[in-house]
Amino acid sequence: DAGVIQSPRHEVTEMGQEVTLRCKPISGHDYLFWYRQTMMRGLELLIYFNNNVPIDDSGMPEDRFSAKMPNASFSTLKIQPSEPRDSAVYFCASSFVVGNEQFFGPGTRLTVL
Amino acid sequence: AQSVTQLGSHVSVSEGALVLLRCNYSSSVPPYLFWYVQYPNQGLQLLLKYTSAATLVKGINGFEAEFKKSETSFHLTKPSAHMSDAAEYFCAVSERGGGADGLTFGKGTHLIIQP
Repeated sequence: DAGVIQSPRHEVTEMGQEVTLRCKPISGHDYLFWYRQTMMRGLELLIYFNNNVPIDDSGMPEDRFSAKMPNASFSTLKIQPSEPRDSAVYFCASSFVVGNEQFFGPGTRLTVL
Repeated sequence: AQSVTQLGSHVSVSEGALVLLRCNYSSSVPPYLFWYVQYPNQGLQLLLKYTSAATLVKGINGFEAEFKKSETSFHLTKPSAHMSDAAEYFCAVSERGGGADGLTFGKGTHLIIQP
């Protein structure tokens, strides 16, 4: 199994631009999570899906952030417009509920100038 | 609301010495507890998990952790540190199981191994 796949691995953009981060979960997993890691706030849950349906988006910082999961093998996290304070590493994770374990992708390092 | 406190943002030990990384949690229900390790520029890898079975949990790479309800603790230990253990370690809690619930993480502890 290839594990959780995230793209791009690195993204550098300018303030005001739209950013789209992508995630392919492990095949057969029915939960997908998006986390953000910063030096100041550590690892934070942004949103998670069950069977492609958003369950809890209370961690999404503001309306500039949106996430979708159009099918079981693909999810996107979009920031529009981006701001320098959005600079962070964004992780995607997936799980199969009975396994009690989340498998993390390698992350996308986002830098907003 | 659940929370995790990791004491010590940096811990330094000599190679071959005991590793002890501290984690205290707060949860309104019996928790599920996890330790993850993060190597530089990589994602998080699960070391071990507590899911209300045995209170002493053994994980990968020789690590283990003991769940102590009276102390609300889940400290991570390894008898003999190896240079390859140098990494960032995160304790996390979930109230509904790590598979079906978002995890709440501690701030992390950077483990430094001295030769």
